[in-house]
Amino acid sequence: RKEVEQDPGPFNVPEGATVAFNCTYSNSASQSFFWYRQDCRKEPKLLMSVYSSGNEDGRFTAQLNRASQYISLLIRDSKLSDSATYLCVVIFMNRDDKIIFGKGTRLHILP
Amino acid sequence: SAVISQKPSRDICQRGTSLTIQCQVDSQVTMMFWYRQQPGQSLTLIATANQGSEATYESGFVIDKFPISRPNLTFSTLTVSNMSPEDSSIYLCSVDSADRALLGGYTFGSGTRLTVV
Repeated sequence: RKEVEQDPGPFNVPEGATVAFNCTYSNSASQSFFWYRQDCRKEPKLLMSVYSSGNEDGRFTAQLNRASQYISLLIRDSKLSDSATYLCVVIFMNRDDKIIFGKGTRLHILP
Repeated sequence: SAVISQKPSRDICQRGTSLTIQCQVDSQVTMMFWYRQQPGQSLTLIATANQGSEATYESGFVIDKFPISRPNLTFSTLTVSNMSPEDSSIYLCSVDSADRALLGGYTFGSGTRLTVV
């Protein structure tokens, strides 16, 4: 099983719809979780951290399910500008931090 | 968050040559990270660069192929040596936030798109 797995998509979603995707991780010792956004030919940029209690930032909601070892990202009222690749990032904090990036989920918002 | 200036943004190089990529950070940071992102793939950590000590390389990456310098707390270079077409990729530098656990995450340079012909 891969350390971090994401559905590569693409998700083709009409503008205004709600879309959600998950990321599963294999190491139960994982301690920090993030969603990054990467636009085509651009560097990844931090979208939001994922906390155990879940967190919301405007139209974006991130949740963590430690029992099932997955994190999720929900985007409400999607905009054309939300089209991007969303990368799941998991950090295992042992003696040496290990940072694992998922391959990303491609999202296309359709007008 | 930190602002990173990475250059060159892109280059086309002949096989067998070397390219040095530079990253300048607008604040002092303890650790800098170098990643590779191959087409259609996610980011893979090449090495962690600490100021005043040798870089720590991940499995599959060696110092002879990817020498790294870290002369001070705001600057680092990654050299891709003796390049082959398989080295064609995007190379990114990154720094962590002051309090990663709370603020979350990393800041990336804009990347260097390398094509080896």
